[in-house]
Amino acid sequence: SQTIHQWPATLVQPVGSPLSLECTVEGTSNPNLYWYRQAAGRGLQLLFYSVGIGQISSEVPQNLSASRPQDRQFILSSKKLLLSDSGFYLCAWSLGGLNTEAFFGQGTRLTVV
Amino acid sequence: AQSVSQHNHHVILSEAASLELGCNYSYGGTVNLFWYVQYPGQHLQLLLKYFSGDPLVKGIKGFEAEFIKSKFSFNLRKPSVQWSDTAEYFCASVYGGYNKLIFGAGTRLAVHP
Repeated sequence: SQTIHQWPATLVQPVGSPLSLECTVEGTSNPNLYWYRQAAGRGLQLLFYSVGIGQISSEVPQNLSASRPQDRQFILSSKKLLLSDSGFYLCAWSLGGLNTEAFFGQGTRLTVV
Repeated sequence: AQSVSQHNHHVILSEAASLELGCNYSYGGTVNLFWYVQYPGQHLQLLLKYFSGDPLVKGIKGFEAEFIKSKFSFNLRKPSVQWSDTAEYFCASVYGGYNKLIFGAGTRLAVHP
């Protein structure tokens, strides 16, 4: 069966520090991968998605970047965190094609202080 | 732009009460709709989904949802809630290909024994 791992679960970082959140998927090949963020009081918003190694699409302008160095690895990064980067970050995967669902990781609660 | 609206941000019910959470989506071509749930301390998981066919969809744990095309709605229902249904519920719609999801703001449900 497929599993998705995301870490760390919680993170407190000072403003201006770098960020790296990692997500890996097991049990499937060539998944679509996604990073979502939930800011306080708001729904989840798609930040990035990837349909293959090295292929990254950004949905919203922001201070973050994403990379997919391996088929089942998706990394969310920042060189210098802002206070506004605080939130709950979720990694997800789905199969390609139509009529499929997304599966989510446990999430990372990031607090920038 | 596509959007998903959830009408209730906080709902408080007693056990055995009936539940209906509203969700409206904006038209965007192919309609793929989902309800996800996040129990305290757990990852986001799928309750039910609609791709096509019977507009009354049954999901896990006794939940169901009805797709009403004329009203652009996909409301979630459960005839009798339990304390264990305390969670946050998200309605979502696919948009723009690649199974990208747009979410509503979420509804926090608290069920009192």
